[in-house]
Amino acid sequence: QSVLTQPPSASGTPGQRVTISCSGGGANIGSNYVYWYQQLTRTAPKLLIYRSNQRPSGVPDRFSGSKSGTSASLAISGLRSEDEADYFCAAWDDSLGGVLFGGGTKVTVL
Amino acid sequence: QVQLQESGPGLVKPSQTLSLTCTVSGDSIISGGYFWSWIRQHPGKGLEWIGYIYYGGSAYYNPSLKSRVIISMDTSKNQFSLQLNSVTAADTAVYYCTRGDFKERFDYWGQGTLVTVSS
Repeated sequence: QSVLTQPPSASGTPGQRVTISCSGGGANIGSNYVYWYQQLTRTAPKLLIYRSNQRPSGVPDRFSGSKSGTSASLAISGLRSEDEADYFCAAWDDSLGGVLFGGGTKVTVL
Repeated sequence: QVQLQESGPGLVKPSQTLSLTCTVSGDSIISGGYFWSWIRQHPGKGLEWIGYIYYGGSAYYNPSLKSRVIISMDTSKNQFSLQLNSVTAADTAVYYCTRGDFKERFDYWGQGTLVTVSS
């Protein structure tokens, strides 16, 4: 059901900057905020970014979100080993009348 | 600190009803204008939004599941529940309950519970 498209994987070495894209359409990303969730292995997802570019308290400023048109991005700067996780984007879809998630991107720290 | 905990059978037979309960502590489910949602994750796959119930009691469902889903709340127990009817193996997943102050913002998550549909 994913109408939000993410690359299945991304990787980087410690200290590098990694960017994950999330591509959608006018009814979802184009019209609504984007949210990003981090899921560490065998744990529940955690809210990482809300309203496209806002960080909840406690989320390091190494994580940043942006949105342009019908696409969004999550950037992780100064990559650390503990950032190895799955990352999901999400947005409300006005046509569907529900929340859509991206398929997820697995970030590997080399 | 808000905490959510899912509970319910880990094994359901095909064609039967999956029933899960989310017990909330640290907050009242009828206060604050929050959205109380259910999300599932098929093994090794992505997340799927099932639906939410708003603090006033109105519920909203994923159109793809709408014909089989009911989300309700029991304010006396500070719980909300998920019923999914006529389950098949495709409903095997980890089910999470969440709280958010917007319908697509999920701030607090339960630990998740695996439900397997099998005879």
